[in-house]
Amino acid sequence: KNEVEQSPQNLTAQEGEFITINCSYSVGISALHWLQQHPGGGIVSLFMLSSGKKKHGRLIATINIQEKHSSLHITASHPRDSAVYICAVNKNTGNQFYFGTGTSLTVIP
Amino acid sequence: SAVISQKPSRDICQRGTSLTIQCQVDSQVTMMFWYRQQPGQSLTLIATANQGSEATYESGFVIDKFPISRPNLTFSTLTVSNMSPEDSSIYLCSASDRRIGSYNEQFFGPGTRLTVL
Repeated sequence: KNEVEQSPQNLTAQEGEFITINCSYSVGISALHWLQQHPGGGIVSLFMLSSGKKKHGRLIATINIQEKHSSLHITASHPRDSAVYICAVNKNTGNQFYFGTGTSLTVIP
Repeated sequence: SAVISQKPSRDICQRGTSLTIQCQVDSQVTMMFWYRQQPGQSLTLIATANQGSEATYESGFVIDKFPISRPNLTFSTLTVSNMSPEDSSIYLCSASDRRIGSYNEQFFGPGTRLTVL
């Protein structure tokens, strides 16, 4: 069983919809990351969290350490948000990343 | 933060040949990582490359197949040797150092998309 699980695997939304992607993990962590990967392959870091909530523009990320769960929300979704969103964690033992399987998001105009 | 570039961005190679991928960072960094992302899959760590020491390979990856160089604090190469179609993947490098971000952060390159015929 993967130590980092994401849901859903695939998501299609209409432009303007509110989107939520979930990440659950089963190990002790020092930080959790939300990453965005566009079709070309490059990866951009969206958030790094160790507690609470962060907001950047239309993106909001939350984490509940007790429940070992994080969510990424996109408000007023837009076709340019179409990408793969990846959850990754640093275990307490080091700075190596452990990745979820990714959520492929398509936003339709 | 850091800006990371990779060369080539993509390549199509014949079975049995080797390809060397270059990763350049615009800052000095202690740790560099090489990942493989097979089609439809998430990233898998191949090895960690620290300057001045041998690369540390993850289970399932061996130096003969994926030799890595780390000649200085801004540069690394990954070679995919004796390629087969199963090596068709995106290969990404990343960098981590307290001088460019927190201990837990990694900055990723744009990836190299490899197709082996």
